[in-house]
Amino acid sequence: QKEVEQNSGPLSVPEGAIASLNCTYSDRGSQSFFWYRQYSGKSPELIMFIYSNGDKEDGRFTAQLNKASQYVSLLIRDSQPSDSATYLCAVNIQEKLTFGTGTRLTIIP
Amino acid sequence: GAVVSQHPSRVICKSGTSVKIECRSLDFQATTMFWYRQFPKQSLMLMATSNEGSKATYEQGVEKDKFLINHASLTLSTLTVTSAHPEDSSFYICSASSLLYTFGSGTRLTVV
Repeated sequence: QKEVEQNSGPLSVPEGAIASLNCTYSDRGSQSFFWYRQYSGKSPELIMFIYSNGDKEDGRFTAQLNKASQYVSLLIRDSQPSDSATYLCAVNIQEKLTFGTGTRLTIIP
Repeated sequence: GAVVSQHPSRVICKSGTSVKIECRSLDFQATTMFWYRQFPKQSLMLMATSNEGSKATYEQGVEKDKFLINHASLTLSTLTVTSAHPEDSSFYICSASSLLYTFGSGTRLTVV
């Protein structure tokens, strides 16, 4: 079992709709969780981080964490074409970030 | 916010030569930095953890004699790819941790 799993996509969402990205992890001891956005040929940039169970909102982005289910998600409201990118889920395991394979998101105008 | 600078952004080298990549934390001190490699359409794979003043810790399968890491100060870590071969062509990205993990802009290495 991979330590961090994501659906690789591609995920296509109409402009203005909600994009939902999911991630599961295997290490129950993980304490912090991150979502990064990566445009083609560029380095990842941090979108959201979450430590506690529940929801965390920042603008159009909401991160959701359920430690009992070992599940973390990212919701993007009012999706824009500029949101088209690969979204990487990362989990802090033993003070190192372990990344999922990423989900490629395409927003359709 | 925390800024990590990485240079060069692109480098082309001949097979058999060595290439050095620098990673600097500009506005904070980083006792630990991380080096990742990313092949096309794949995710980031951690290569090694760079610790200031001590030897780097390499992930399983990463050749420590080929990928030399030096972390001589609290703001600078370097990765040297020695005797580079075409299969080493990849996107190399460094990261440093303050409160959060900040990434450099990456180095696209092409070995010809």
